[in-house]
Amino acid sequence: GESVGLHLPTLSVQEGDNSIINCAYSNSASDYFIWYKQESGKGPQFIIDIRSNMDKRQGQRVTVLLNKTVKHLSLQIAATQPGDSAVYFCAEDNQAGTALIFGKGTTLSVSS
Amino acid sequence: DVKVTQSSRYLVKRTGEKVFLECVQDMDHENMFWYRQDPGLGLRLIYFSYDVKMKEKGDIPEGYSVSREKKERFSLILESASTNQTSMYLCASSFFPGQGEAFFGQGTRLTVV
Repeated sequence: GESVGLHLPTLSVQEGDNSIINCAYSNSASDYFIWYKQESGKGPQFIIDIRSNMDKRQGQRVTVLLNKTVKHLSLQIAATQPGDSAVYFCAEDNQAGTALIFGKGTTLSVSS
Repeated sequence: DVKVTQSSRYLVKRTGEKVFLECVQDMDHENMFWYRQDPGLGLRLIYFSYDVKMKEKGDIPEGYSVSREKKERFSLILESASTNQTSMYLCASSFFPGQGEAFFGQGTRLTVV
């Protein structure tokens, strides 16, 4: 069935390191993928998205990589800062393309 | 600044009560969503709506219903609250459902006792 999962529930890094958060998805027909950041006490906020016709997309300090062969999505954060500490969710479109289906989330902790 | 507003940040209700969670968006989006968030389970889709008076079941609709009488407002209804519905509830809206960014509210932490 449709499901989006993350490989690790938690990730701890040092300030200044590069972080990589991984996500596996099961629906090979998914066309759209998106990453959200959720800080404590807040709703999820958009980070970056990518469509299935792309392999890579870059934003400010963030890069999303899509490997359709192995159905894998990753979020790379360059020069991680304490303010990056949050829960990160990947999501994909459902089979009908009418809603986003979310993974379980990875908690990123950045120590200085 | 775009906004999705949920009427309550925290709610405590008794088992068996009928509970209404309200959500309003100011972006003129046609598509609105209700998710619940539980530790270790991520966000799970309860119901969504792509137009006024239209609704679709998500992955976990049991025990819930929804109402969309106006474009900007989407209500989640717990017909008879149970303790297993204690959770964080998140409302979202989007212009392109499943194909573009969904904007989320702050969430409502519901505790059923």
